[in-house]
Amino acid sequence: DIQLTQSPSFLSASVGDRVTITCRASQGISSYLAWYQQKPGKAPKLLIFAPSTLQSGVPSRFSGSGSGTEFTLTISSLQPEDFATYYCQQLNSYPLTFGGGTEVEIK
Amino acid sequence: EVQLVESGGGLVQPGGSLTLSCAASGITLLNYDMHWVRQATGKGLEWVSAIGTAGDTYYPGSVKGRFTIYRENAKNSLYLQMNSLRAGDTAVYYCARGLRDSGGYHYQAFDMWGQGTMVTVSS
Repeated sequence: DIQLTQSPSFLSASVGDRVTITCRASQGISSYLAWYQQKPGKAPKLLIFAPSTLQSGVPSRFSGSGSGTEFTLTISSLQPEDFATYYCQQLNSYPLTFGGGTEVEIK
Repeated sequence: EVQLVESGGGLVQPGGSLTLSCAASGITLLNYDMHWVRQATGKGLEWVSAIGTAGDTYYPGSVKGRFTIYRENAKNSLYLQMNSLRAGDTAVYYCARGLRDSGGYHYQAFDMWGQGTMVTVSS
């Protein structure tokens, strides 16, 4: 199974900050990675896939990059509604797997 | 309204069985790969099963042989039959639609989710 390691697992940031989250895969997955945002008590929301295509309706301050084994999610200017937990997920092969999550908290 | 609505969760004893349902409205399930994803309280996301448009099915090792995913096209619904349940299966279970781009390519990412249904395995 492909393991995904996210870092950091917790991040404290201020409104307006540039935030970067990293996801590393245990083996190459080409560009087959997605990012989700989840708020407490809600289902996850797809932000970006493959690995830089923005899902419809997602603000352009979110961007994704990477290939192979290292990927990043960047929020260019953190907004109050962006405080949430973020997960990466590999789409390359079954079993599909998720990273452990990064909780973004207000500083 | 386009939505997925899960039902069927509840309390079940270890070793018991439960079948979850996911009713779709506004979309035709057989046109998409469909998935179940679970999340234990305070924990991360875990993919549980998938069914392709051709009826092919996939499972992780943790549930293979115990869980069965299937679709009932006439009811436009997705199901997850869960047998031999264990305490470790306790979680919110989400049904999720597989992403299909404008060119018809199927990605194994999830672009639509239900609200989730809680399964508790406990004596």
